[in-house]
Amino acid sequence: GNSVTQMEGPVTLSEEAFLTINCTYTATGYPSLFWYVQYPGEGLQLLLKATKADDKGSNKGFEATYRKETTSFHLEKGSVQVSDSAVYFCALRTNQAGTALIFGKGTTLSVSS
Amino acid sequence: GAVVSQHPSRVICKSGTSVKIECRSLDFQATTMFWYRQFPKQSLMLMATSNEGSKATYEQGVEKDKFLINHASLTLSTLTVTSAHPEDSSFYICSAQDRLRAYEQYFGPGTRLTVT
Repeated sequence: GNSVTQMEGPVTLSEEAFLTINCTYTATGYPSLFWYVQYPGEGLQLLLKATKADDKGSNKGFEATYRKETTSFHLEKGSVQVSDSAVYFCALRTNQAGTALIFGKGTTLSVSS
Repeated sequence: GAVVSQHPSRVICKSGTSVKIECRSLDFQATTMFWYRQFPKQSLMLMATSNEGSKATYEQGVEKDKFLINHASLTLSTLTVTSAHPEDSSFYICSAQDRLRAYEQYFGPGTRLTVT
């Protein structure tokens, strides 16, 4: 079946450090891939997405590239800020109407000043 | 655009009572809505898929008689937790799929249920 595997957290970084959160997936066909962010006490917000191989999603300094050959969609940011502290979820969705997102377990990021 | 609301945002109820949570798509029609449950510091677990005008499809292990889902219109789905118990305390999140935007899913802000 379809699944998403994320690196275990928590990830603790100092401000301005480089961030990588690994995400790999297993899916039949060619799913769309997503990163969602959840700030403390809030719901999920879409951070970025990619719908086909080699697409790069980017938003707020974060980026991730859809790598079909390695079935990966790693999240990166060159310089994190304290305000980036949150839980990050990698997710996939098959391109069929009515199918739900499948989420990874989430990675908690904590950035200190 | 593409806003999904949930009501209430927080609810505390006594054990044995029922609680209804509403999920609304405010500016689009959602033929499909999804209900997720999130335990503390864990991922989202899909509970059920709700299609407008038909019965919900529940994931394995989710009790359909306990978690009643109704999707009576293209903009509203409700989740009723019947005879709630403390173990039902959780964060419930809905999402709505917009078929006019490539079936993009938009999430509500979540409802924190505490059963005492």
